[in-house]
Amino acid sequence: AQKITQTQPGMFVQEKEAVTLDCTYDTSDPSYGLFWYKQPSSGEMIFLIYQGSYDQQNATEGRYSLNFQKARKSANLVISASQLGDSAMYFCAMREAPNSGGYQKVTFGTGTKLQVIP
Amino acid sequence: DVKVTQSSRYLVKRTGEKVFLECVQDMDHENMFWYRQDPGLGLRLIYFSYDVKMKEKGDIPEGYSVSREKKERFSLILESASTNQTSMYLCASRATRGAHQPQHFGDGTRLSIL
Repeated sequence: AQKITQTQPGMFVQEKEAVTLDCTYDTSDPSYGLFWYKQPSSGEMIFLIYQGSYDQQNATEGRYSLNFQKARKSANLVISASQLGDSAMYFCAMREAPNSGGYQKVTFGTGTKLQVIP
Repeated sequence: DVKVTQSSRYLVKRTGEKVFLECVQDMDHENMFWYRQDPGLGLRLIYFSYDVKMKEKGDIPEGYSVSREKKERFSLILESASTNQTSMYLCASRATRGAHQPQHFGDGTRLSIL
């Protein structure tokens, strides 16, 4: 079963506007974490933002914020004031609770390709 | 800054060859991962290791094996390469202390099997 779902394969946004990238997840663990990564065309994966399941406040990092709706199991990324350099693939990922060996599995979504239009 | 280094950016091999992809991290991280990335499928976990000589299968381990003899190095082995293993391979490492710790990725190896 898909644990992380990103339903938008591609999106366009006008420069300087805000954009929301959707991510829904599925887990029965009470303890988990959600990450967003950016992958430019050059290929490297860049960590953007983290939200823990017990965090009371929505995470923010500069122009990135995470709209965390726990009851709906969604963790959407909001990018404010889009820039041309924001054009990239964006991946949502979920870290699950540790297993008996202490390992915390991380599962990724299929990604959303964002293109910022001048 | 954490540095995760993958030995090759591009690699071309032939069907049936044994292929080694190497990954080295410099931050003493316990956890290391191998993913493959294919268009429309995102990142899929092949294997992970949570300590030296410790490994567990991910979601798509068939046709692959791994080796972790030293903490800093995690190798992915294609025992007998096949064309359906043509893909982008990403290595990552992560510290275990701190739930908020992200994975740190290498630049990827684009592997073509002819």
